[in-house]
Amino acid sequence: EAQVTQNPRYLITVTGKKLTVTCSQNMNHEYMSWYRQDPGLGLRQIYYSMNVEVTDKGDVPEGYKVSRKEKRNFPLILESPSPNQTSLYFCASSAGAWINNEQFFGPGTRLTVL
Amino acid sequence: QKEVEQDPGPLSVPEGAIVSLNCTYSNSAFQYFMWYRQYSRKGPELLMYTYSSGNKEDGRFTAQVDKSSKYISLFIRDSQPSDSATYLCAMKQGGKLIFGQGTELSVKP
Repeated sequence: EAQVTQNPRYLITVTGKKLTVTCSQNMNHEYMSWYRQDPGLGLRQIYYSMNVEVTDKGDVPEGYKVSRKEKRNFPLILESPSPNQTSLYFCASSAGAWINNEQFFGPGTRLTVL
Repeated sequence: QKEVEQDPGPLSVPEGAIVSLNCTYSNSAFQYFMWYRQYSRKGPELLMYTYSSGNKEDGRFTAQVDKSSKYISLFIRDSQPSDSATYLCAMKQGGKLIFGQGTELSVKP
């Protein structure tokens, strides 16, 4: 089944403790992206990657890191999480960055930073 | 000012009503316009996309873009309870995708 998977689905952590949220897709997609969703603010793009070893900042990259060493994986790294990073995170992928390349979203990761 | 503005609602309508959802934007460089639907506890899914001014129809859904006014709309005809979800407009510039805040829609039987 074609899908985007994220792990973990739920995470409660404490301020300053480094964490990684993994994202993997099995559709051989070139484009991958991370978003956070907060009430009243909608979805905001954190980072995106057009291909392996190519990443770029979205609208809200501060406090996050990403890497794209393999086509299928695009982990999101929080080196020193803070409470304002408490949010619902979505990973997405598409064949390319063109308009007719539909983005497929993962199930979401709900992160709470205490 | 946000690049994309969307009325968050919530919007509640009776079954069978025509629903109008709207977004305005400020960046003339946006090239492509999309509508996503997000059910509770799920990731968004693409509903419709367009890149030119005018209307695009798909079943009960019609997407409308007015680039001169920087305004896009989604119309849902004969709304059904299964249409109850959050609808997000999104606009694309290169690899960046900017979403509106989302409008929560509830269609009552």
